[in-house]
Amino acid sequence: ETGVTQSPTHLIKTRGQQVTLRCSSQSGHNTVSWYQQALGQGPQFIFQYYREEENGRGNFPPRFSGLQFPNYSSELNVNALELDDSALYLCASSGDRGRETQYFGPGTRLLVL
Amino acid sequence: QKEVEQDPGPLSVPEGAIVSLNCTYSNSAFQYFMWYRQYSRKGPELLMYTYSSGNKEDGRFTAQVDKSSKYISLFIRDSQPSDSATYLCAMSEVGSGDKLTFGTGTRLAVRP
Repeated sequence: ETGVTQSPTHLIKTRGQQVTLRCSSQSGHNTVSWYQQALGQGPQFIFQYYREEENGRGNFPPRFSGLQFPNYSSELNVNALELDDSALYLCASSGDRGRETQYFGPGTRLLVL
Repeated sequence: QKEVEQDPGPLSVPEGAIVSLNCTYSNSAFQYFMWYRQYSRKGPELLMYTYSSGNKEDGRFTAQVDKSSKYISLFIRDSQPSDSATYLCAMSEVGSGDKLTFGTGTRLAVRP
């Protein structure tokens, strides 16, 4: 176990709705990254938060947004859901920014109908 | 062309076989190379982590990086049915924070 937890484990939404996914980082980690993993694909980087500030973003539209809290837990928000947003959403925590070892949570599986 | 290419498999081998998994990449700025194992319906689990070129061994697992060829490999010796999973290669640049670029993953099945 990595110590990274995510909730909920599964979620079903309809197109156009909004969703919030949550992540609790491993103890002592101040950096959290979010990834989207479509079926049969590798994870794709969405964005990263370091000490409550966004610290890099992948090729995802602004309707994907996030927050990191003082206790280093994190949220991923997706507005105006599209069918292609159906995927496994993974968060990963790591130590000080610049270290490359990330530890992943079990993911939240989102289905958009 | 994707930055990281990985044969998706599936790869099926008998128990005890040596398994070779590979990735190629196009971005010469990648300096950190990782292999993750992902069981069905689970998050990726870090197996091996290497910096720049060279070999690294950990038990039955050996990771190799050849930066001149932009090619990385993971070898699994004495493969076990419990090794059946998807293996993902991942890479990152110096100064990119922790942004990882992944391959598509190779599905491995080890037959008893």
